[in-house]
Amino acid sequence: GNSVTQMEGPVTLSEEAFLTINCTYTATGYPSLFWYVQYPGEGLQLLLKATKADDKGSNKGFEATYRKETTSFHLEKGSVQVSDSAVYFCALSSNSGNTPLVFGKGTRLSVIA
Amino acid sequence: GAVVSQHPSWVICKSGTSVKIECRSLDFQATTMFWYRQFPKQSLMLMATSNEGSKATYEQGVEKDKFLINHASLTLSTLTVTSAHPEDSSFYICSARESGVREGSPLHFGNGTRLTVT
Repeated sequence: GNSVTQMEGPVTLSEEAFLTINCTYTATGYPSLFWYVQYPGEGLQLLLKATKADDKGSNKGFEATYRKETTSFHLEKGSVQVSDSAVYFCALSSNSGNTPLVFGKGTRLSVIA
Repeated sequence: GAVVSQHPSWVICKSGTSVKIECRSLDFQATTMFWYRQFPKQSLMLMATSNEGSKATYEQGVEKDKFLINHASLTLSTLTVTSAHPEDSSFYICSARESGVREGSPLHFGNGTRLTVT
């Protein structure tokens, strides 16, 4: 079945540091890939997405590229801010039918000033 | 953008009582909604798929008689935790995908409901 594996946290960075959160997936066919962010006590917000190989999703300085050859969708940001502190979830969706998302375990990011 | 409203945002109830959580799509129609459960510092676990006008589909290990799901309209799904016990305390999150939108498009999430059973 489909699955998502993302790097274990927590990740602690200083402000303006470079961020990478690794995500790899296993899926049949050609899934769509997503990164969601969850701030404390809140639901999930879509951060970015990519629907086919070599697509790059980007939003708020975050980027991730859909790499079919390595089945990866790593999240990156060049310069993190304290306000980026949150839990980040990588997820995939099968492109057949109205199917739920399959989530990775989440990576907690703490950015310190 | 598509907004999913979930209510209440938090609830405290006594053991043995029932709690209803509402999930509404405010500016789109959703024939299917998904209910997730999240334990502290863990990922989201899919509980069930709620289908408008028909029975919900539950994931393995989820008690359908305990977690009653009703999807009465294209904009409303409810989850009722019946005879709640302390082990049901958790963060429940609903989500929906706009009907008719291309397959594989993102889910939109409510802000979640934190349930505490005392």
